[in-house]
Amino acid sequence: SQKIEQNSEALNIQEGKTATLTCNYTNYSPAYLQWYRQDPGRGPVFLLLIRENEKEKRKERLKVTFDTTLKQSLFHITASQPADSATYLCALESNYQLIWGAGTKLIIKP
Amino acid sequence: EPEVTQTPSHQVTQMGQEVILRCVPISNHLYFYWYRQILGQKVEFLVSFYNNEISEKSEIFDDQFSVERPDGSNFTLKIRSTKLEDSAMYFCASSETVLPSSGNTIYFGEGSWLTVV
Repeated sequence: SQKIEQNSEALNIQEGKTATLTCNYTNYSPAYLQWYRQDPGRGPVFLLLIRENEKEKRKERLKVTFDTTLKQSLFHITASQPADSATYLCALESNYQLIWGAGTKLIIKP
Repeated sequence: EPEVTQTPSHQVTQMGQEVILRCVPISNHLYFYWYRQILGQKVEFLVSFYNNEISEKSEIFDDQFSVERPDGSNFTLKIRSTKLEDSAMYFCASSETVLPSSGNTIYFGEGSWLTVV
């Protein structure tokens, strides 16, 4: 079955720098992959979706890449701000369900 | 901006009791979902619902669970006889179209935190 791996260790980044988070999957390449933000005690909030035929997607300070050869997606936040501190989840479709990574906690230090 | 709303935000219940979690999906959405997240763990899919019937369900969604759309706006998750391990945050979500065909965005509610004691 499809498995998703995200770095379980918190990522500490200095304000203004670029934060890069990794999502690896183990099985077949999904038709698309999504990134969500989750704040403590809150529901996931959709950020970006990238399809298998897209190499890169951008939205304001966010950029997502999708490498089906490496079975990996990278999520970048440029010019990071303390307000970007949250847990970031990747999710992909498998058997008509969304399955989720455990998320990576991002801490942006002022 | 339209949003998915859930009630209650937090419920404490005795083991063995029935619980109903309520959700009001976004009004023009046709697909509804329940997910759960045990504290500190991954978000897990429970069930999807379309056209008044279950589309998909996971292994977690056993006979103790049921979903219903009792009227035009509410979507409920019922747990018949709660167990300690049912303690989790339960998220309702909705989308305009089905996920696999379009990769469409799903919108999550703020969650209902269930504590079984």
